[in-house]
Amino acid sequence: GQQLNQSPQSMFIQEGEDVSMNCTSSSIFNTWLWYKQDPGEGPVLLIALYKAGELTSNGRLTAQFGITRKDSFLNISASIPSDVGIYFCAGQLGSGNTPLVFGKGTRLSVIA
Amino acid sequence: SQTIHQWPATLVQPVGSPLSLECTVEGTSNPNLYWYRQAAGRGLQLLFYSVGIGQISSEVPQNLSASRPQDRQFILSSKKLLLSDSGFYLCAWGALAGEFFGPGTRLTVL
Repeated sequence: GQQLNQSPQSMFIQEGEDVSMNCTSSSIFNTWLWYKQDPGEGPVLLIALYKAGELTSNGRLTAQFGITRKDSFLNISASIPSDVGIYFCAGQLGSGNTPLVFGKGTRLSVIA
Repeated sequence: SQTIHQWPATLVQPVGSPLSLECTVEGTSNPNLYWYRQAAGRGLQLLFYSVGIGQISSEVPQNLSASRPQDRQFILSSKKLLLSDSGFYLCAWGALAGEFFGPGTRLTVL
């Protein structure tokens, strides 16, 4: 099946540092989404991107839909302890009825 | 606004016992519904999805099954659980804006 290559797999950063993670694929996606999962909870949608080249912010989070439609990145500025969790990218190949393809996640740890 | 419920929140079951996990969605009609499983520290594995009542697509062959008896109800079942069925089970509903997850059910098979 389709795969998304998400990197890095894990990150340990100091509080206040900026964070960057990305997803790439050999396939062209129509939609890119970024989720965050806190321990023991379901993933929560952070940002959704619908057009190639689109750059969207949500507070300290910024994500971009790659111009080739095969990649996306998520940046977190000035990290804080509550940013800890697993971040997943997801892409949709077809219409709204097509299930998302998920990356394997980036585990973020923030050292105070 | 839309909400999604899952129960139970946690479950401990012996090997060979049956399973029934329930998911319901409020505040939307004819949603796409999904069941995912997440092993400890791992990614999300899509198990089943449904685009309408009685319509189930299986992504991974295994001893689990899914049913959608009502528009906003999605059930995950097994006749005989295996140790490898342990994990965190997540239900999600889909919209144009993306997929939205429930709180999950932590299943431990002993």
